[in-house]
Amino acid sequence: SQQGEEDPQALSIQEGENATMNCSYKTSINNLQWYRQNSGRGLVHLILIRSNEREKHSGRLRVTLDTSKKSSSLLITASRAADTASYFCATETYPNTGNQFYFGTGTSLTVIP
Amino acid sequence: EAGVAQSPRYKIIEKRQSVAFWCNPISGHATLYWYQQILGQGPKLLIQFQNNGVVDDSQLPKDRFSAERLKGVDSTLKIQPAKLEDSAVYLCASSSSPLPGQPQHFGDGTRLSIL
Repeated sequence: SQQGEEDPQALSIQEGENATMNCSYKTSINNLQWYRQNSGRGLVHLILIRSNEREKHSGRLRVTLDTSKKSSSLLITASRAADTASYFCATETYPNTGNQFYFGTGTSLTVIP
Repeated sequence: EAGVAQSPRYKIIEKRQSVAFWCNPISGHATLYWYQQILGQGPKLLIQFQNNGVVDDSQLPKDRFSAERLKGVDSTLKIQPAKLEDSAVYLCASSSSPLPGQPQHFGDGTRLSIL
């Protein structure tokens, strides 16, 4: 089964509002990454947070990681219509055979102009 | 730099037929991934290459799926024979190294429909 579960599954907000989506995972990880996917396109890397970090910022994005709760959140501030997309978290672990990636189920974000 | 190229963009076949997908990663990227993304779900890793060697193929259904990266650059993924449940988008991604924490760069995928 997939490592990550995202919540909510779908989110609809007005332009200018903030959007928060959450990711929960099951086992210990080394890194967690967030990706965006526009309809009919491939995924685009947004931000990475390592297991020893608690918070990272990149432009309008803020990511937090709580390893004790096995959860992460992605906050998009001052949302724009162009932010409409699906957002996925991806966990990364390093077993002896190489790094393993598991993507979550995704949150579909709609930003209404 | 040019992105990850995939072809074809769409493919429709009947069950039990064979199909192949092609991927050209970003120039210089040694690590290549194939993912299966079923509608409404996140991508599932099928196979990971480091140059022309397989790093992880634990989730590849080896009775019907095969992949190769003979010269450590382009890669092909084949399904033979296809089943209805193989309908999905097949995504290729590459990264500059296998080191942990490297972002993956994705192509736009091949959408496969099985009739």
